[in-house]
Amino acid sequence: NAGVTQTPKFQVLKTGQSMTLQCAQDMNHNSMYWYRQDPGMGLRLIYYSASEGTTDKGEVPNGYNVSRLNKREFSLRLESAAPSQTSVYFCASSGGQGTGANVLTFGAGSRLTVL
Amino acid sequence: AQSVTQLGSHVSVSEGALVLLRCNYSSSVPPYLFWYVQYPNQGLQLLLKYTSAATLVKGINGFEAEFKKSETSFHLTKPSAHMSDAAEYFCAVSRMEYGNKLVFGAGTILRVKS
Repeated sequence: NAGVTQTPKFQVLKTGQSMTLQCAQDMNHNSMYWYRQDPGMGLRLIYYSASEGTTDKGEVPNGYNVSRLNKREFSLRLESAAPSQTSVYFCASSGGQGTGANVLTFGAGSRLTVL
Repeated sequence: AQSVTQLGSHVSVSEGALVLLRCNYSSSVPPYLFWYVQYPNQGLQLLLKYTSAATLVKGINGFEAEFKKSETSFHLTKPSAHMSDAAEYFCAVSRMEYGNKLVFGAGTILRVKS
Protein backbone atom coordinates (compact mmCIF):
# COMPACT_ATOMS: atom_id res chain seq x y z
CA ASN A 1 0.00 0.00 0.00
CA ALA A 2 2.37 2.70 -1.27
CA GLY A 3 -0.17 5.56 -1.51
CA VAL A 4 1.67 8.67 -2.76
CA THR A 5 5.36 8.34 -3.58
CA GLN A 6 7.63 11.33 -4.12
CA THR A 7 11.19 11.41 -5.37
CA PRO A 8 13.75 12.60 -4.51
CA LYS A 9 13.43 13.04 -0.74
CA PHE A 10 16.31 15.51 -0.58
CA GLN A 11 17.95 17.71 -3.21
CA VAL A 12 20.45 20.54 -3.16
CA LEU A 13 20.60 22.81 -6.18
CA LYS A 14 22.59 25.85 -7.18
CA THR A 15 20.78 28.99 -8.30
CA GLY A 16 19.77 28.67 -11.94
CA GLN A 17 19.78 24.89 -12.08
CA SER A 18 16.70 22.97 -13.08
CA MET A 19 15.13 19.88 -11.64
CA THR A 20 11.94 17.85 -11.62
CA LEU A 21 10.14 16.43 -8.61
CA GLN A 22 8.32 13.24 -9.38
CA CYS A 23 5.08 12.06 -7.81
CA ALA A 24 3.06 8.90 -8.35
CA GLN A 25 -0.08 7.57 -6.69
CA ASP A 26 -1.53 4.09 -6.85
CA MET A 27 -5.03 4.81 -5.50
CA ASN A 28 -6.67 5.58 -8.87
CA HIS A 29 -7.33 9.15 -7.72
CA ASN A 30 -8.44 11.74 -10.24
CA SER A 31 -6.98 14.83 -8.58
CA MET A 32 -3.38 15.55 -7.75
CA TYR A 33 -1.72 18.55 -6.09
CA TRP A 34 1.65 20.12 -5.39
CA TYR A 35 2.07 22.15 -2.22
CA ARG A 36 5.06 23.86 -0.68
CA GLN A 37 5.50 24.16 3.08
CA ASP A 38 7.41 27.02 4.65
CA PRO A 39 7.72 27.76 8.39
CA GLY A 40 4.85 29.84 9.71
CA MET A 41 3.02 29.80 6.38
CA GLY A 42 1.34 26.44 6.35
CA LEU A 43 0.97 24.72 3.01
CA ARG A 44 0.44 26.75 -0.13
CA LEU A 45 -0.91 25.27 -3.32
CA ILE A 46 1.42 25.57 -6.30
CA TYR A 47 -0.49 23.68 -9.01
CA TYR A 48 -3.18 21.08 -9.15
CA SER A 49 -4.67 18.70 -11.65
CA ALA A 50 -8.35 17.87 -11.35
CA SER A 51 -8.09 15.06 -13.86
CA GLU A 52 -5.73 13.51 -16.36
CA GLY A 53 -4.87 16.03 -19.04
CA THR A 54 -5.74 19.16 -17.04
CA THR A 55 -3.66 21.40 -14.82
CA ASP A 56 -4.42 24.70 -13.08
CA LYS A 57 -2.49 27.28 -11.12
CA GLY A 58 -2.77 27.49 -7.37
CA GLU A 59 -1.74 30.28 -5.00
CA VAL A 60 2.00 30.37 -5.79
CA PRO A 61 2.66 29.07 -9.33
CA ASN A 62 5.43 31.46 -10.40
CA GLY A 63 8.71 29.71 -11.18
CA TYR A 64 7.13 26.27 -11.53
CA ASN A 65 5.68 24.09 -14.25
CA VAL A 66 3.78 20.83 -13.97
CA SER A 67 2.94 17.86 -16.11
CA ARG A 68 0.14 15.37 -15.55
CA LEU A 69 1.78 12.55 -17.44
CA ASN A 70 -1.05 10.09 -16.87
CA LYS A 71 -3.57 9.37 -14.14
CA ARG A 72 -0.85 8.11 -11.77
CA GLU A 73 1.90 10.68 -12.22
CA PHE A 74 2.15 14.43 -11.63
CA SER A 75 5.56 16.09 -11.85
CA LEU A 76 6.73 19.52 -10.73
CA ARG A 77 9.56 21.25 -12.58
CA LEU A 78 11.74 24.13 -11.52
CA GLU A 79 13.27 25.56 -14.70
CA SER A 80 15.70 27.98 -13.04
CA ALA A 81 15.86 27.47 -9.30
CA ALA A 82 16.04 30.45 -6.96
CA PRO A 83 16.85 30.56 -3.22
CA SER A 84 13.23 31.58 -2.57
CA GLN A 85 12.23 28.12 -3.75
CA THR A 86 14.02 26.48 -0.84
CA SER A 87 11.17 24.61 0.81
CA VAL A 88 9.59 21.27 1.54
CA TYR A 89 7.38 20.13 -1.31
CA PHE A 90 4.42 17.82 -0.86
CA CYS A 91 2.51 15.97 -3.49
CA ALA A 92 -1.04 14.88 -2.66
CA SER A 93 -3.93 13.16 -4.36
CA SER A 94 -7.65 12.84 -3.80
CA GLY A 95 -10.53 10.94 -5.28
CA GLY A 96 -14.26 10.59 -4.89
CA GLN A 97 -17.08 13.11 -5.17
CA GLY A 98 -18.26 15.88 -2.89
CA THR A 99 -16.43 15.94 0.40
CA GLY A 100 -14.63 12.76 -0.49
CA ALA A 101 -12.82 14.79 -3.09
CA ASN A 102 -11.26 16.91 -0.35
CA VAL A 103 -9.62 14.14 1.64
CA LEU A 104 -6.06 14.46 0.50
CA THR A 105 -3.48 11.72 0.82
CA PHE A 106 0.01 13.18 1.10
CA GLY A 107 3.41 11.94 0.15
CA ALA A 108 6.30 12.08 2.62
CA GLY A 109 7.72 15.28 1.16
CA SER A 110 10.78 16.42 -0.77
CA ARG A 111 13.18 18.81 0.92
CA LEU A 112 14.77 21.16 -1.61
CA THR A 113 17.60 23.57 -0.84
CA VAL A 114 18.68 26.15 -3.40
CA LEU A 115 22.06 27.74 -2.73
CA ALA B 1 -11.47 34.53 -0.99
CA GLN B 2 -11.68 32.00 1.75
CA SER B 3 -9.06 31.76 4.46
CA VAL B 4 -8.39 30.12 7.77
CA THR B 5 -6.64 31.51 10.84
CA GLN B 6 -5.03 29.40 13.50
CA LEU B 7 -4.49 31.22 16.77
CA GLY B 8 -1.17 30.39 18.35
CA SER B 9 1.76 29.06 16.37
CA HIS B 10 2.91 27.05 19.41
CA VAL B 11 0.85 25.44 22.17
CA SER B 12 2.36 23.65 25.15
CA VAL B 13 0.39 21.37 27.48
CA SER B 14 1.24 18.87 30.17
CA GLU B 15 0.62 15.19 29.61
CA GLY B 16 -2.96 14.44 30.65
CA ALA B 17 -4.15 18.03 30.23
CA LEU B 18 -6.79 19.30 27.82
CA VAL B 19 -5.64 20.11 24.30
CA LEU B 20 -7.33 23.07 22.59
CA LEU B 21 -6.15 24.24 19.17
CA ARG B 22 -8.04 27.16 17.69
CA CYS B 23 -9.17 27.65 14.11
CA ASN B 24 -11.39 30.37 12.62
CA TYR B 25 -12.48 30.54 9.00
CA SER B 26 -13.65 33.43 6.88
CA SER B 27 -16.56 32.49 4.73
CA SER B 28 -20.12 33.70 4.38
CA VAL B 29 -21.20 30.20 3.50
CA PRO B 30 -20.31 27.25 5.75
CA PRO B 31 -17.44 25.51 4.05
CA TYR B 32 -15.99 22.06 4.41
CA LEU B 33 -13.46 22.07 7.25
CA PHE B 34 -10.62 19.76 8.03
CA TRP B 35 -7.91 19.15 10.59
CA TYR B 36 -4.68 17.49 9.48
CA VAL B 37 -1.73 16.40 11.62
CA GLN B 38 1.92 16.27 10.61
CA TYR B 39 4.34 14.21 12.66
CA PRO B 40 8.05 15.07 12.35
CA ASN B 41 9.50 14.36 8.91
CA GLN B 42 6.24 12.98 7.58
CA GLY B 43 3.45 14.09 5.30
CA LEU B 44 0.07 15.25 6.54
CA GLN B 45 -2.62 12.85 7.75
CA LEU B 46 -6.33 13.58 8.04
CA LEU B 47 -7.56 13.85 11.65
CA LEU B 48 -11.19 14.72 10.98
CA LYS B 49 -13.50 16.60 8.65
CA TYR B 50 -16.72 18.60 8.90
CA THR B 51 -19.23 18.07 6.11
CA SER B 52 -22.38 19.59 7.67
CA ALA B 53 -23.79 16.26 8.80
CA ALA B 54 -23.07 17.00 12.48
CA THR B 55 -21.54 19.97 14.27
CA LEU B 56 -19.44 17.81 16.60
CA VAL B 57 -16.99 15.73 14.64
CA LYS B 58 -14.95 12.91 16.09
CA GLY B 59 -11.62 11.98 14.58
CA ILE B 60 -8.78 9.61 15.12
CA ASN B 61 -6.64 9.34 18.27
CA GLY B 62 -9.35 10.81 20.53
CA PHE B 63 -9.51 14.21 18.85
CA GLU B 64 -12.75 16.01 18.10
CA ALA B 65 -13.79 19.39 16.75
CA GLU B 66 -16.96 21.43 16.99
CA PHE B 67 -18.27 23.57 14.15
CA LYS B 68 -19.76 26.84 15.45
CA LYS B 69 -21.29 28.89 12.66
CA SER B 70 -22.01 31.90 14.91
CA GLU B 71 -18.33 32.09 15.82
CA THR B 72 -16.98 30.89 12.43
CA SER B 73 -14.81 28.51 14.41
CA PHE B 74 -13.73 24.90 14.20
CA HIS B 75 -11.54 24.35 17.26
CA LEU B 76 -9.78 21.02 17.84
CA THR B 77 -9.84 19.43 21.29
CA LYS B 78 -8.67 16.32 23.10
CA PRO B 79 -9.52 15.71 26.76
CA SER B 80 -6.16 14.25 27.78
CA ALA B 81 -2.90 14.84 25.96
CA HIS B 82 -0.42 12.06 25.30
CA MET B 83 3.24 12.43 24.51
CA SER B 84 2.53 10.91 21.11
CA ASP B 85 0.26 13.88 20.25
CA ALA B 86 3.27 16.15 19.84
CA ALA B 87 3.07 17.26 16.21
CA GLU B 88 2.03 20.15 13.99
CA TYR B 89 -1.68 20.57 13.37
CA PHE B 90 -3.24 22.28 10.38
CA CYS B 91 -6.77 23.52 9.92
CA ALA B 92 -7.97 23.65 6.31
CA VAL B 93 -11.05 24.89 4.46
CA SER B 94 -12.53 24.25 1.06
CA ARG B 95 -15.63 25.17 -0.89
CA MET B 96 -17.03 23.69 -4.06
CA GLU B 97 -17.12 27.04 -5.84
CA TYR B 98 -13.35 27.22 -5.43
CA GLY B 99 -12.88 23.85 -7.02
CA ASN B 100 -12.68 22.07 -3.69
CA LYS B 101 -9.08 23.11 -3.29
CA LEU B 102 -7.88 23.10 0.29
CA VAL B 103 -6.60 26.31 1.83
CA PHE B 104 -4.47 25.65 4.91
CA GLY B 105 -3.85 27.64 8.03
CA ALA B 106 -0.30 28.43 9.14
CA GLY B 107 -0.22 25.50 11.56
CA THR B 108 0.07 25.07 15.32
CA ILE B 109 2.93 23.11 16.85
CA LEU B 110 1.74 21.15 19.87
CA ARG B 111 4.29 20.35 22.56
CA VAL B 112 3.40 17.86 25.31
CA LYS B 113 5.40 18.07 28.52
CA SER B 114 5.90 15.10 30.79
